[in-house]
Amino acid sequence: EAAVTQSPRNKVAVTGGKVTLSCNQTNNHNNMYWYRQDTGHGLRLIHYSYGAGSTEKGDIPDGYKASRPSQENFSLILELATPSQTSVYFCASGDPGRYAEQFFGPGTRLTVL
Amino acid sequence: QQQVRQSSQSLTVWEGETAILNCSYENSAFDYFPWYQQFPGEGPALLIAIRSVSDKKEDGRFTIFFNKREKNLSLHIKDSQPGDSATYFCAASGGYGSSGNKLIFGIGTLLSVKP
Repeated sequence: EAAVTQSPRNKVAVTGGKVTLSCNQTNNHNNMYWYRQDTGHGLRLIHYSYGAGSTEKGDIPDGYKASRPSQENFSLILELATPSQTSVYFCASGDPGRYAEQFFGPGTRLTVL
Repeated sequence: QQQVRQSSQSLTVWEGETAILNCSYENSAFDYFPWYQQFPGEGPALLIAIRSVSDKKEDGRFTIFFNKREKNLSLHIKDSQPGDSATYFCAASGGYGSSGNKLIFGIGTLLSVKP
């Protein structure tokens, strides 16, 4: 059974609308991450969390908010979606520490029209 | 400026050949280098990783060669199979404080193995 799940798997949104992407993990990992993947850019870190109630800015946080209400759940929120946020978004979880493996979800394809 | 650079966005080899994927980095503080493998429609998954104290890491058909002085590394896939066709991401982490735990990914190399 998949340990990191994401919903929805596909989403079409309108410019200016609010979008919430959800992630759930059953690994009991403290750390969770949100990345976006774009051709020519690889994976870029948006926000991450060290545990319930904590969120930290990653390398490209502008236009995104994150919420970690529990150990298992981590959400990415686009308050005012823009076409430049059209991308594939991946959630990951992992133990703390520099050498810890990150376990990725299947991704959410978001299109902002 | 890309902190982790993968020199080829795509690579094609024949079945049975050794595929060589190259990666270089800028930050001398990086000390951990994982390679992630991604199949279409899936999330990336850890394939193999090396720490900077080593110059070689082997796991079955997959080997990482690491050159700290030159700040580059390569992933060798011996006896390539069509099932190895995927995108391979080189990543790095290291340095001081909480930022040292963050992974920085390259843009990925799409490997195609022709039968």
